[in-house]
Amino acid sequence: SQTIHQWPATLVQPVGSPLSLECTVEGTSNPNLYWYRQAAGRGLQLLFYSVGIGQISSEVPQNLSASRPQDRQFILSSKKLLLSDSGFYLCAWSLERVYGYTFGSGTRLTVV
Amino acid sequence: GQNIDQPTEMTATEGAIVQINCTYQTSGFNGLFWYQQHAGEAPTFLSYNVLDGLEEKGRFSSFLSRSKGYSYLLLKELQMKDSASYLCAVRDSNYQLIWGAGTKLIIKP
Repeated sequence: SQTIHQWPATLVQPVGSPLSLECTVEGTSNPNLYWYRQAAGRGLQLLFYSVGIGQISSEVPQNLSASRPQDRQFILSSKKLLLSDSGFYLCAWSLERVYGYTFGSGTRLTVV
Repeated sequence: GQNIDQPTEMTATEGAIVQINCTYQTSGFNGLFWYQQHAGEAPTFLSYNVLDGLEEKGRFSSFLSRSKGYSYLLLKELQMKDSASYLCAVRDSNYQLIWGAGTKLIIKP
């Protein structure tokens, strides 16, 4: 069966520090991978998605970046965090674009 | 622009029935999803509608009317564990999911 792992679960980082969140999927090949951010009381905002190794599409201009160094690994990064980067970050995967998404357990990021 | 509307919050009583509505305006339509999200957790899949009509799955049912841009999620025999946010999402013509802000459902004894 397919599983998705996301870590860390919580993170408190000072403004201006770097960020690296990692997501891995097991039990499937060539998944579509997604990074979402969820602010309190708001809908899920798609940040990045990837349909293959090295293929990254950005939906929202920001100081975040994403990379997919391996088929089942998706990384969200920032060189310098802003206060506005605080939120709940979710990684998700789907098999082909026609299927629903399965989410990782999420990372609660607080920038102080 | 693309828009998904759902009530911000609803309150219901344990054992009762509640209907959560979702209206949408999107560039094309390739299916509608309902997800459940408990506080501090990731969303989990509940239902998927792509054709008009009612899809029933245990205590949960989801209805779709594409001509009206409307869906609802019906929860029967409410239990305290059903207290959560319920997210409506529509897949547009580019197969991207457009998400509503979610409806927080509070269940009272």
